[in-house]
Amino acid sequence: DQQVKQNSPSLSVQEGRISILNCDYTNSMFDYFLWYKKYPAEGPTFLISISSIKDKNEDGRFTVFLNKSAKHLSLHIVPSQPGDSAVYFCAASGSNDYKLSFGAGTTVTVRA
Amino acid sequence: NAGVMQNPRHLVRRRGQEARLRCSPMKGHSHVYWYRQLPEEGLKFMVYLQKENIIDESGMPKERFSAEFPKEGPSILRIQQVVRGDSAAYFCASSPTGWANEKLFFGSGTQLSVL
Repeated sequence: DQQVKQNSPSLSVQEGRISILNCDYTNSMFDYFLWYKKYPAEGPTFLISISSIKDKNEDGRFTVFLNKSAKHLSLHIVPSQPGDSAVYFCAASGSNDYKLSFGAGTTVTVRA
Repeated sequence: NAGVMQNPRHLVRRRGQEARLRCSPMKGHSHVYWYRQLPEEGLKFMVYLQKENIIDESGMPKERFSAEFPKEGPSILRIQQVVRGDSAAYFCASSPTGWANEKLFFGSGTQLSVL
């Protein structure tokens, strides 16, 4: 059972524009959410996270928004840069948990 | 300042052979996790270990798979009698604590191909 879903397998965006990646979850026990970025032939690297007590967290060009009632979160990248071309995974965990549930990923391609 | 080291990067095995995947966590990290990524899917939790202890192996198939993290040396994920369905990317991650809200540091993975 897929508890974290990323329904868009791919996204193409022009350099300088905004990239918006979406993620939905079904487990109401999840209260911590993370985004990981992955380049080919490399492992995922942590990008940004948000706790359920917040609805927004910002780090430079990256902002994550959380809508708990809708069980939905999104990652905004603005402005998008060529180096942002990668696979982005949404992940979630519950309190005091040690394992992450990952979505299937969204491949972002930033066009020059 | 080495990160999480996994080897080999690529492993080819014939059906019925054994696969051994190794993972050295980041310095100072005593918590190790193994995740598996099948084609077109996200990473799936397999097992969580601390030094000499398996904390949670609920994501690991009951048969043919085993994991260890000895007092000395790397963590090992062992797959006996591999089948084609075991072909996947296996990622190891480590953290200084056991909490998922502490970001995990992932290795580059081992791509296992079963012929």
